[in-house]
Amino acid sequence: SAVISQKPSRDICQRGTSLTIQCQVDSQVTMMFWYRQQPGQSLTLIATANQGSEATYESGFVIDKFPISRPNLTFSTLTVSNMSPEDSSIYLCSVEGYSTDTQYFGPGTRLTVL
Amino acid sequence: KNQVEQSPQSLIILEGKNCTLQCNYTVSPFSNLRWYKQDTGRGPVSLTIMTFSENTKSNGRYTATLDADTKQSSLHITASQLSDSASYICVVSEKGYSTLTFGKGTMLLVSP
Repeated sequence: SAVISQKPSRDICQRGTSLTIQCQVDSQVTMMFWYRQQPGQSLTLIATANQGSEATYESGFVIDKFPISRPNLTFSTLTVSNMSPEDSSIYLCSVEGYSTDTQYFGPGTRLTVL
Repeated sequence: KNQVEQSPQSLIILEGKNCTLQCNYTVSPFSNLRWYKQDTGRGPVSLTIMTFSENTKSNGRYTATLDADTKQSSLHITASQLSDSASYICVVSEKGYSTLTFGKGTMLLVSP
């Protein structure tokens, strides 16, 4: 299994500011994903973080709002830009390894926007 | 559109009792079905994963079943414990894709 850490674990931010969330994995992985989980809802995929190229965004999510970096096979960042209260959610990093057929999730970052 | 429906939405049971959670899906072509447990404020943790040819899989007190013909799965929890209180999420994978379709989860509360 993969051990995933996220920073920060939680944050309270002001409207209009931006927050960058970090995801670190203890081993090299092929696929890394970013999800959003709004209160009382299940997980929604934001994008697939591609190493060495631009992220692949799902419908309804755009790079200007959620820029993603993936400089190597163990690390990725997600930025939530120009935040509004509607961005208040848990943001989760997930990975799929080379020889595994399951996805492992990080502990999540709980974001509250005032 | 691929969908995963879970029932019940929430459930309260007494400690020591058994319970069964349901999952119906429309994902096609099917690759695998996963059950995750998500404690409040934590990320989901995988309990079981089943492919097309597997009918049942156990992980301790958790037993998952899969009927690929009717596109139904269940998660049975035996001799429930307080620590089983969590959201249980059914997730289905489409063949050829890494993206997943998530159910909304069943919120289980085990009461002493």
